[in-house]
Amino acid sequence: EPEVTQTPSHQVTQMGQEVILRCVPISNHLYFYWYRQILGQKVEFLVSFYNNEISEKSEIFDDQFSVERPDGSNFTLKIRSTKLEDSAMYFCASRRLPRQGDIQYFGAGTRLSVL
Amino acid sequence: DAKTTQPPSMDCAEGRAANLPCNHSTISGNEYVYWYRQIHSQGPQYIIHGLKNNETNEMASLIITEDRKSSTLILPHATLRDTAVYYCIVRPVFNDYKLSFGAGTTVTVRA
Repeated sequence: EPEVTQTPSHQVTQMGQEVILRCVPISNHLYFYWYRQILGQKVEFLVSFYNNEISEKSEIFDDQFSVERPDGSNFTLKIRSTKLEDSAMYFCASRRLPRQGDIQYFGAGTRLSVL
Repeated sequence: DAKTTQPPSMDCAEGRAANLPCNHSTISGNEYVYWYRQIHSQGPQYIIHGLKNNETNEMASLIITEDRKSSTLILPHATLRDTAVYYCIVRPVFNDYKLSFGAGTTVTVRA
């Protein structure tokens, strides 16, 4: 069964450093998403991406965050200068078509630890 | 998006059916009901979704009341591996984007 793949599974970084989280969505999917989940809290939407541009973003997704689809397979989330509060699980998701009732499939996540 | 209300937790005996309720009294006609679950800190896993009619797949059944103000997810034969947080999410048909997760129901399946 096709799946969304995220790397690395765990990223440790120093505060103020830049990190790039990588995702390989399911191959024929066109919509891509990032969510995050701080330990013990809800899963929160960050950003959606379609046709090489951001479709929607949350208040969390400020200027420190950016997304990119650098080639035909990868979808990345960059945090320019990490803060302690960026420590969380980050989930990538994808869906196939903008069709009614379509399904978002999630990756296993990247645990980001900012020290 | 319409709000959903779920009990914070419930227990279920292994091998028995687990019935997970969800209230979405403000749902509108163009909104789907989705169910996802999250095992430990893994990525949310899609279970099932529906608009008006009851739905069944290999994982579960979804029963939506006629007025669509509530629904029930049924896991027919719960196993220990079904222990997870279950999320009921309402999403507009024409919203192609985000899923809004609440706190969900923590389901513990006991041997």
